[in-house]
Amino acid sequence: EVQLLESGGGLVQPGGSLRLSCAASGFAFNNYAMSWVRQAPGKGLEWVSSISGSGLTTYYADSVKGRFTVSRDNSRDTLFLQMNSLRAEDTAVYYCAKDPRYEVKYGCRFDYWGLGTLVTVSS
Amino acid sequence: EIVLRQSPATLSLSPGERATLSCRASQSVASYLAWYQQKPGQAPRLLIYDASNRATGIPAKFSGSGSGTDFTLTISSLEPEDSAVYYCQQRRNWPLTFGGGTRVEIK
Repeated sequence: EVQLLESGGGLVQPGGSLRLSCAASGFAFNNYAMSWVRQAPGKGLEWVSSISGSGLTTYYADSVKGRFTVSRDNSRDTLFLQMNSLRAEDTAVYYCAKDPRYEVKYGCRFDYWGLGTLVTVSS
Repeated sequence: EIVLRQSPATLSLSPGERATLSCRASQSVASYLAWYQQKPGQAPRLLIYDASNRATGIPAKFSGSGSGTDFTLTISSLEPEDSAVYYCQQRRNWPLTFGGGTRVEIK
């Protein structure tokens, strides 16, 4: 059974940093691209970042480019999102999501999702 | 950036009725469109990918159609558990984008 478990969320001041993790199990993690998608309270879904199965190819939304970094450790079946220079508008539940393919060059869809971790940016 | 517009914003129907949800793209996404269902307090669930393919374990009452810029998600014979927000998402171009969602309410 595919499971994705996010952690690392919490309350942080504007300008601060957080590192989110997503522990994967139930599938061959290194064979699949992964993504982060967020949802502000009461709002819709917003794609944040995607990474190929190898970790060599990454994409970012303009709203986070230069501030967030996606990475993965295939030896630990874990996806990361390093978030720096956080702003109030980054407040959201952050979901990690699996793609059914290895590469990302044809875009991503999300066949499995974690339960999400809440990031609150506030002073 | 490809903008996806979903309509209506809210759909209120009775059990047994058919729901028709629309997703319109600002430019062609070919067939690279997916639909997700999200119930309150839960993560989204993939229903349809590449416009018309049901995801694993999704019942046949969910069907998708369309290509280019106009897409439809149809839910035949609504049940109370279909009450949710439904989102479309395109993977034709980066950045990936989602529609604003359609809330389906069961009377």
